Amino acid sequence: DGGITQSPKYLFRKEGQNVTLSCEQNLNHDAMYWYRQDPGQGLRLIYYSQIVNDFQKGDIAEGYSVSREKKESFPLTVTSAQKNPTAFYLCASSPTPGTGELFFGEGSRLTVL
Amino acid sequence: GDSVTQMEGPVTLSEEAFLTINCTYTATGYPSLFWYVQYPGEGLQLLLKATKADDKGSNKGFEATYRKETTSFHLEKGSVQVSDSAVYFCALTGGGFKTIFGAGTRLFVKA
Repeated sequence: DGGITQSPKYLFRKEGQNVTLSCEQNLNHDAMYWYRQDPGQGLRLIYYSQIVNDFQKGDIAEGYSVSREKKESFPLTVTSAQKNPTAFYLCASSPTPGTGELFFGEGSRLTVL
Repeated sequence: GDSVTQMEGPVTLSEEAFLTINCTYTATGYPSLFWYVQYPGEGLQLLLKATKADDKGSNKGFEATYRKETTSFHLEKGSVQVSDSAVYFCALTGGGFKTIFGAGTRLFVKA
């Protein structure tokens, strides 16, 4: 089955540690996105990539980094510079950038202890 | 900038009741409009979409009409089921590559 796989589903980290969230898609989509979801808020865009080896900052990129070395993969690193990293992180992909039709993974919940 | 405003929840209904979740937007140009649904512990799924004024998107008994004159895209369903309990997000995509989401409206349907 085609889809988007995020891992891990749950992750705990201590303050000051970097952590990397995995996102893999087998939909052959060009565009990939990372969103952050906080309780009672909509989704906020962290980073997006329209093509391999290219990515752009979204609205809340500070404290995060990404790479896009393969079409299928778009990992997100939450660095120690992110002041409030506890959140639900959602990865998405789209066959055509800018159409708004997004396919989401099941999310990764990060808790900082 | 572009933005989406949707009614605050939670919305609590009895099974077979009529559902309306209001959504209004602010955007330059002619955005595409979407409703996404999120079931507990899962990612979002596209529920329906409309790409131009007066278009009606529909899926699984849900409908929404793109009203440019009122900048609205309200979600409706004639008879909700317990399985419709979820969080519903209104969203738009304008001229750029970003999709802007509303804050979400949680729906509880009681048997």
